[in-house]
Amino acid sequence: GENVEQHPSTLSVQEGDSAVIKCTYSDSASNYFPWYKQELGKRPQLIIDIRSNVGEKKDQRIAVTLNKTAKHFSLHITETQPEDSAVYFCAAIFQGGTSYGKLTFGQGTILTVHP
Amino acid sequence: DGGITQSPKYLFRKEGQNVTLSCEQNLNHDAMYWYRQDPGQGLRLIYYSQIVNDFQKGDIAEGYSVSREKKESFPLTVTSAQKNPTAFYLCASKAGGSYNEQFFGPGTRLTVL
Repeated sequence: GENVEQHPSTLSVQEGDSAVIKCTYSDSASNYFPWYKQELGKRPQLIIDIRSNVGEKKDQRIAVTLNKTAKHFSLHITETQPEDSAVYFCAAIFQGGTSYGKLTFGQGTILTVHP
Repeated sequence: DGGITQSPKYLFRKEGQNVTLSCEQNLNHDAMYWYRQDPGQGLRLIYYSQIVNDFQKGDIAEGYSVSREKKESFPLTVTSAQKNPTAFYLCASKAGGSYNEQFFGPGTRLTVL
């Protein structure tokens, strides 16, 4: 089955700095890679995703890059703000045909942005 | 707020008791999932269901049971066989087809006393 490794487990940055979280996956068939943000005591919410036929995707201050050859993908947050402080999870899945599949999550990264 | 509800928000259980966590969705999603979240361990899949009256074990199914009698509902029972049930439990659902977002419920925090 799929295995997703996420690093670092904790990340502390100053407001305005950039933050990068990296994930590697094992199953070369995986073709969809979402990122979720979970604030303390809340549900995870999708912030950005990328499909395997795309190398990079941006949405305002956040971007995701995918290297299929190396089987790793990264989340980039620029101009960080205190409200970016949360736990971030990467995930991977093969989606296709009639199978809805199941997401495999990384272990999570606790991001703290200091004012 | 996402169309997925879980109840109760907090649940306390004595050792040896079975408890059932509720998950309901009004999004008309075919697939539903149950995850367990422990500090530092991310989200681990307990069970999932892609269609009514059918479900599959996830990575940590031992000590848990589910049913899927209705499309909208996917209750999870934590049995007395689950050795360490104290955790945050999250339900999720997803529409059919590729690349669709998986939506999460607000979660139930279960504490064994």
